[in-house]
Amino acid sequence: QVQLKESGPGLVQPSQTLSLTCTVSGLSLTSNSVSWIRQPPGKGLEWMGVIWSNGGTDYNSAIKSRLSISRDTSKSQVFLKMNSLQTEDTAMYFCARTRGYYDGYYHVHWGQGVMVTVSS
Amino acid sequence: DIVLTQSPALAVSLGQRATISCKTNQNVDYYGNSYMHWYQQKPGQQPKLLIYLASNLASGIPARFSGRGSGTDFTLTIDPVEADDTATYYCQQSRNLPWTFGGGTKLELK
Repeated sequence: QVQLKESGPGLVQPSQTLSLTCTVSGLSLTSNSVSWIRQPPGKGLEWMGVIWSNGGTDYNSAIKSRLSISRDTSKSQVFLKMNSLQTEDTAMYFCARTRGYYDGYYHVHWGQGVMVTVSS
Repeated sequence: DIVLTQSPALAVSLGQRATISCKTNQNVDYYGNSYMHWYQQKPGQQPKLLIYLASNLASGIPARFSGRGSGTDFTLTIDPVEADDTATYYCQQSRNLPWTFGGGTKLELK
């Protein structure tokens, strides 16, 4: 079955760079798209960006200047890098399989999430 | 960005109907589809897809859940409500980038 699992450091210092990995199984990244979505404690969901099945990317304009999403299809991994972290970036970070153009762009499978705290 | 507005909370009795609304500040219809989706999130868990394209039930979701609406007004209905349905429900639009979510509606039992 389809599974996604996020991994990365739980604590990042302010102004540093966050690096997260989403490892997928049960699907191919060359025919599936993956989004990153985050959720600050006690708050709602914010879509961050997507890497499409063709390797192209789209980002939320609010954080576009700080964000990069890439992948390694041979390892079935998707990567998130976000620089200049601030305390407001403290959140649970999810990766999710995103259905594409012909389906309507919704998130059909989600990882369990990884909590990232930005603090010195 | 398209803004989605949901009521923060709703209290319903077991066995009754729950109707959760989501209103957008722009039309999310395009070529016959409404690009609106619904998710359920329980505390400490990841969101789960319930409804896609406004009215299509996701795989494995019980028929007690249904969605309807078009344009700028959408609803998620749970009928009848069961104890396991206590959760926060989010709507999400994918008509335009950036894809955005509503603030969530917390469903509680009376």
